[in-house]
Amino acid sequence: EPEVTQTPSHQVTQMGQEVILRCVPISNHLYFYWYRQILGQKVEFLVSFYNNEISEKSEIFDDQFSVERPDGSNFTLKIRSTKLEDSAMYFCASQVYTYEQYFGPGTRLTVT
Amino acid sequence: KQEVTQIPAALSVPEGENLVLNCSFTDSAIYNLQWFRQDPGKGLTSLLLIQSSQREQTSGRLNASLDKSSGRSTLYIAASQPGDSATYLCAVTTGRRALTFGSGTRLQVQP
Repeated sequence: EPEVTQTPSHQVTQMGQEVILRCVPISNHLYFYWYRQILGQKVEFLVSFYNNEISEKSEIFDDQFSVERPDGSNFTLKIRSTKLEDSAMYFCASQVYTYEQYFGPGTRLTVT
Repeated sequence: KQEVTQIPAALSVPEGENLVLNCSFTDSAIYNLQWFRQDPGKGLTSLLLIQSSQREQTSGRLNASLDKSSGRSTLYIAASQPGDSATYLCAVTTGRRALTFGSGTRLQVQP
């Protein structure tokens, strides 16, 4: 069964460093998402992406964040200058039209 | 702003029991409601999707209902098993596609 994959599973970085989180969505899906979950808190929406552009973003998704679909398969989230409060589990999701969103296993980002 | 609440926050039941998890949302103008399962330190597994025009969906021992006008959904789990132990999350879409999540119900099924 097709699934969303994410790499790396765990990333440790120092404050101020840039990180890139990678996702491979399900191949025939059209809509792509990033969410995050800070330990012990709700899953929060960051950004959605369709037709090679951002279709929606939350207040969390400020200028430090960017997304890209560099080729036909990968979908990336870049954090330019990480802060301690960026430590969280980051989930990628993909979707066909208005149906279910399918989530990847997540990348645990630890900022020290 | 949409708010999603899940009650109870935690639930412990003996194996074999039928149980109900509750989800409520403040803005009834939703497009979809999706139930997920999350195991500790893991990703989210989609269990059921109910579109706004539907009243319920079933998958195996799971049945989810939706009452849009009252802003409520329930997830019914029949004949619970220890393998059902996980956190169950409810999420809705309102207008846009982004999911708004509840805090979840942490379920423990005792053998």
